[in-house]
Amino acid sequence: DIVMTQSPDSLAVSLGERVTINCKSSQRVLHSSTNKNYLAWFQQKPGQPPRLLMYWASYRESGVPDRFSGSGSGTDFTLTISSLQAEDVAVYYCQQSHSPPYTFGQGTKLEIK
Amino acid sequence: QVQLVESGGGVVQPGRSLRLSCAASGFTFSSYAFHWVRQAPGKGLEWVAVIWYDGSEKYYADSVKGRFTISRDNSKKSLYLQMNSLRAEDTAVYYCARDVRGTEDYWGQGILVTVSS
Repeated sequence: DIVMTQSPDSLAVSLGERVTINCKSSQRVLHSSTNKNYLAWFQQKPGQPPRLLMYWASYRESGVPDRFSGSGSGTDFTLTISSLQAEDVAVYYCQQSHSPPYTFGQGTKLEIK
Repeated sequence: QVQLVESGGGVVQPGRSLRLSCAASGFTFSSYAFHWVRQAPGKGLEWVAVIWYDGSEKYYADSVKGRFTISRDNSKKSLYLQMNSLRAEDTAVYYCARDVRGTEDYWGQGILVTVSS
């Protein structure tokens, strides 16, 4: 199974500042047939289901603000929020869908400093 | 609009069975794969199972393999999760989610399953 490890587990950032969350997979998640990295990012607020932010590592889901971006390839990936807003307080998860079981990272809790 | 509504949750004794359902509307159900994902109280997300759009392939997390069965009825626009031999560690909110481009784009609100004597 592919193990997904996020860092940090939690972080506190000031409003307007840049946020970086990392995700490392134990195996490459690049599909040779599509040349896409099957890595997604989700945001979850308390009492709500997860919301898809990014798919294929760097493609933003429709309706997601452009302050969110994703990067990386192979085994190392990053979710960046360019300027933190109050509504971005949440837990963020990465997930690989390269091969089942489609494992999630442990989550990163983002708070306002 | 896309809607996914889970049902069938509740309190069940260890060792017993429960079947969850997920009713879909607002899109062509038979064109999509679907996932079940769960979240234990205060914990992170755990992927449970996936079923292909036509039911031809199914995959499971190691933690549920042999005990849970994912299925679908395209004529009823419904997804199911049959859970047998339930354990305390299966206590969680269970979400159904639609698959697009290999990932979950729409999620239901979730249904709580509590395994307790």
